[in-house]
Amino acid sequence: GQQLNQSPQSMFIQEGEDVSMNCTSSSIFNTWLWYKQDPGEGPVLLIALYKAGELTSNGRLTAQFGITRKDSFLNISASIPSDVGIYFCAGQREKLTFGTGTRLTIIP
Amino acid sequence: GAGVSQSPSNKVTEKGKDVELRCDPISGHTALYWYRQSLGQGLEFLIYFQGNSAPDKSGLPSDRFSAERTGGSVSTLTIQRTQQEDSAVYLCASSLGAGVSNEQFFGPGTRLTVL
Repeated sequence: GQQLNQSPQSMFIQEGEDVSMNCTSSSIFNTWLWYKQDPGEGPVLLIALYKAGELTSNGRLTAQFGITRKDSFLNISASIPSDVGIYFCAGQREKLTFGTGTRLTIIP
Repeated sequence: GAGVSQSPSNKVTEKGKDVELRCDPISGHTALYWYRQSLGQGLEFLIYFQGNSAPDKSGLPSDRFSAERTGGSVSTLTIQRTQQEDSAVYLCASSLGAGVSNEQFFGPGTRLTVL
């Protein structure tokens, strides 16, 4: 099935650094979502975006719904150890279409 | 329970055998989804149930895959004559209703390994 292009595939950062990841699609979506998945768990919703151009924050997380409705980015500021995991974008029309994921690792 | 539960958490089977994976959604959630997550990949939609409507089976990869939802609650995903490429984590999610404003809550998944 279709998957969205998500980059980077993996990131290795030091604690306290900012993180940025993005997602692009050839199709328009009405909603963009960002999820985090910890090992052995299902994804958990972090942020939902419902309008083109919308910029939404949730604590240290900020996400934007691209104006073309074909892309979105997620920023994490001042990373902490519990930010480690895999981040997925998802675009939604009727069903969810997921990105390929960004694996975030914090180097001690 | 408070969240979506799935069983078993791990399943190892031999090629050619049938397997059944179970999902218990959050009580009161009318929508239920099955996804497949292959190693290092995102989630791939398989099938969607909403209330008493006919399920959306558009993501099922072959006729070896089927799913039921009995009584509008528990769902079972069945894979017949399993193949090695069926090895993946199978995730179930439920939501209060259909539509973009209803958050999907995911279970922990069943990791299927076909030898």
